[in-house]
Amino acid sequence: GDSVTQMEGPVTLSEEAFLTINCTYTATGYPSLFWYVQYPGEGLQLLLKATKADDKGSNKGFEATYRKETTSFHLEKGSVQVSDSAVYFCALSAGTGANSKLTFGKGITLSVRP
Amino acid sequence: DSGVTQTPKHLITATGQRVTLRCSPRSGDLSVYWYQQSLDQGLQFLIQYYNGEERAKGNILERFSAQQFPDLHSELNLSSLELGDSALYFCASSVGIGLAGERVQFFGPGTRLTVL
Repeated sequence: GDSVTQMEGPVTLSEEAFLTINCTYTATGYPSLFWYVQYPGEGLQLLLKATKADDKGSNKGFEATYRKETTSFHLEKGSVQVSDSAVYFCALSAGTGANSKLTFGKGITLSVRP
Repeated sequence: DSGVTQTPKHLITATGQRVTLRCSPRSGDLSVYWYQQSLDQGLQFLIQYYNGEERAKGNILERFSAQQFPDLHSELNLSSLELGDSALYFCASSVGIGLAGERVQFFGPGTRLTVL
């Protein structure tokens, strides 16, 4: 079945450091890929998405590129801020109709210290 | 604010009881999804509705049921509650279930269920 694998956490960085969070997936067909973020005590917010190979999603300085050849969708940010501290989830939607549900990775906690 | 609302925000109840969680999707969204978030299982898909009809089931227990009403709001019913049902329950909605852009899901703030 479909699955998403995220790198193990937690991750602790200093402010202005470069961030990479790895995400790889297994799916039949051509899934859409997403990064969601969960701030403490809140729900999930869509951070960015990509719906086909080589698409780059970007938002709030975060970027991720849909790499079909390596089945990856790694999240990057050039300079993190304390306010980026949150849990980040990589997810896929495998298809249409009954296959449109999201399959999530385990999530990774990012802490950014001043 | 995603536009998806969920009530109640917190729910504390005892084992064996029954509760109902409510979700109102974003205006114009036809599809509603329910997910459970727990420390041991992570985020798991439970069930999906589209325009009032059930479209997909995931890891949903037989003690759990859901429905989507004509006004498109949805309710998740959890019965014969056990300690292990304590979790955060999220509702998400999307415009549709066809084109990739329609399938983007927006999440509500969640209902935290505690079973004592």
